[in-house]
Amino acid sequence: KQEVTQIPAALSVPEGENLVLNCSFTDSAIYNLQWFRQDPGKGLTSLLLIQSSQREQTSGRLNASLDKSSGRSTLYIAASQPGDSATYLCAVRRIAAGTALIFGKGTTLSVSS
Amino acid sequence: DTGVSQNPRHKITKRGQNVTFRCDPISEHNRLYWYRQTLGQGPEFLTYFQNEAQLEKSRLLSDRFSAERPKGSFSTLEIQRTEQGDSAMYLCASSLTSGPSTDTQYFGPGTRLTVL
Repeated sequence: KQEVTQIPAALSVPEGENLVLNCSFTDSAIYNLQWFRQDPGKGLTSLLLIQSSQREQTSGRLNASLDKSSGRSTLYIAASQPGDSATYLCAVRRIAAGTALIFGKGTTLSVSS
Repeated sequence: DTGVSQNPRHKITKRGQNVTFRCDPISEHNRLYWYRQTLGQGPEFLTYFQNEAQLEKSRLLSDRFSAERPKGSFSTLEIQRTEQGDSAMYLCASSLTSGPSTDTQYFGPGTRLTVL
């Protein structure tokens, strides 16, 4: 059974700091991995999707990496801003198991000005 | 393209009542998904459609839950005889099976259900 874990559960940083959010998964047979952002009481916003054949994806100040063999992904946020405050969720799609995403519980980030 | 929309945004009901939620996916997205999210947890998969066909259902989807996508466009999720444990945010997502954004699931704002 695929399990996704995100550490830490919560993180507080001052504005301008670079930070890394971690995601680990137990079954390396994944099709892809997706990072999302969720603001309180709202839906999810897709940030980055990494296919299993890729090692990383970048979008603006965000960089996501994937190491399938070790079952890990990281989301790097450069020069954090108060507007980055949200919960960040990682999700994996398993191979040959439909298209459902398996989510972690998320990391809640707070960036203070 | 206005994104995935869901209605209603909030629903309060009494235990035992039936409720129905609607999801309108992004135009031309052929896959549509339903997830449920409780406080402090990540979303959990319920079911998904490719066009009008319901291709996968989670064991979380008890007999009281039914979902339809009759014309391959919008979808409805009905919960019969609601229980307090059904209180959650119900999220809908859609995706394409081809093109540059293949597989990226785009989520709606969710419907928050409270069962009293």
